[in-house]
Amino acid sequence: EAQVTQNPRYLITVTGKKLTVTCSQNMNHEYMSWYRQDPGLGLRQIYYSMNVEVTDKGDVPEGYKVSRKEKRNFPLILESPSPNQTSLYFCASSQMWDLAYEQYFGPGTRLTVT
Amino acid sequence: AQKITQTQPGMFVQEKEAVTLDCTYDTSDPSYGLFWYKQPSSGEMIFLIYQGSYDQQNATEGRYSLNFQKARKSANLVISASQLGDSAMYFCAMREGLGNFNKFYFGSGTKLNVKP
Repeated sequence: EAQVTQNPRYLITVTGKKLTVTCSQNMNHEYMSWYRQDPGLGLRQIYYSMNVEVTDKGDVPEGYKVSRKEKRNFPLILESPSPNQTSLYFCASSQMWDLAYEQYFGPGTRLTVT
Repeated sequence: AQKITQTQPGMFVQEKEAVTLDCTYDTSDPSYGLFWYKQPSSGEMIFLIYQGSYDQQNATEGRYSLNFQKARKSANLVISASQLGDSAMYFCAMREGLGNFNKFYFGSGTKLNVKP
């Protein structure tokens, strides 16, 4: 089954404690992306990657890091989480070479930073 | 400037009636794609429909159609014969081409409630 998986689904942590949210896709998509969803703001792109070792900032990259060492995986790293990073996070993947390809989304990770 | 604007934070519609969810976009790229996603209360993002900037006809997918007015930069979603299961959050999104080919922008969403 074609899918994007994220782990963990729920995470409560404390300020400053480094964490990683994993994302994996099995569709051989070149393009992967991270979003955060906040009430009233919709989804905002954090980082995206067009292929292995190729990443770029989205609209809200501050406080986040990513890496793309393998095509299928695109982890999101919060080196020193703060309460304003409490949010719902989505990973997504897509074919890259055609505008018509929609993004496939993971199930989301609800992060709370206290 | 906002790339995607959805001006209706919430809407109600009677079951079996049609409803239009508004979306306007801002881009100077000639090539772009417009998407609508549905997010039910369970949280997953479900792709509904796509419209390309060069498409001559409005996209349709079952009960969903996209009213694409290029000159007005609007891409409204029309849901015909609403069902209770249509109650959800709906997001309009744009993918820009040629240079910013890989950036997606989402609107703030419209929460649709279908009344029995």
